Amino acid sequence: GAVVSQHPSWVICKSGTSVKIECRSLDFQATTMFWYRQFPKQSLMLMATSNEGSKATYEQGVEKDKFLINHASLTLSTLTVTSAHPEDSSFYICSARDMARPTYEQYFGPGTRLTVT
Amino acid sequence: TQLLKQSPQFLSIQEGENLTVYCNSSSVFSSLQWYRQEPGEGPVLLVTVVTGGEVKKLKRLTFQFGDARKDSSLHITAAQPGDTGLYLCAGLPLGAGGTSYGKLTFGQGTILTVHP
Repeated sequence: GAVVSQHPSWVICKSGTSVKIECRSLDFQATTMFWYRQFPKQSLMLMATSNEGSKATYEQGVEKDKFLINHASLTLSTLTVTSAHPEDSSFYICSARDMARPTYEQYFGPGTRLTVT
Repeated sequence: TQLLKQSPQFLSIQEGENLTVYCNSSSVFSSLQWYRQEPGEGPVLLVTVVTGGEVKKLKRLTFQFGDARKDSSLHITAAQPGDTGLYLCAGLPLGAGGTSYGKLTFGQGTILTVHP
């Protein structure tokens, strides 16, 4: 149980284009999902909190117009990197919180490696 | 701002040795999770500790939550090369289940390398 999928697992795009990353909770419902960015050999950096049916909450310093988040259902959240630039290249990871668990564990997707050329 | 200080940042040991990773804070957490992450993959939940003083064992891994719920430790006995990875502690601040939607505070991570 508690499986989170992410698609695609890796993507290469040209500078100026947009890329959409999907995060799905496969066997549980998640009103809340989180998007993180991770640099090599470092911890996770929270970008935004995604809530089903409402606007995402972005962390300080994260451009909401550049990183568009949509949480259309209890099992799907998407992150769109708009007008991508090489500095956006990174490992993006989503997580989902199982509504049925009172201890707020987050279950992580396998990550998406974005390379902007 | 809730901070979790994780130490050591890097750990390189030989197979069979024991090790301990620490997470410390001046703030109280409702619960604390430990994750392990391998390169190119997402973190995998190892354990959640909730009660002050709680000790949980997972095979060769022992997790402890401090009595005051401000700190935690992960002890690995007889480390194996398969234990190699990035270990992350993450705490749920008191009251974060409400307006913060369960947002976790992560430690800086410990990169463990176990040499055969």
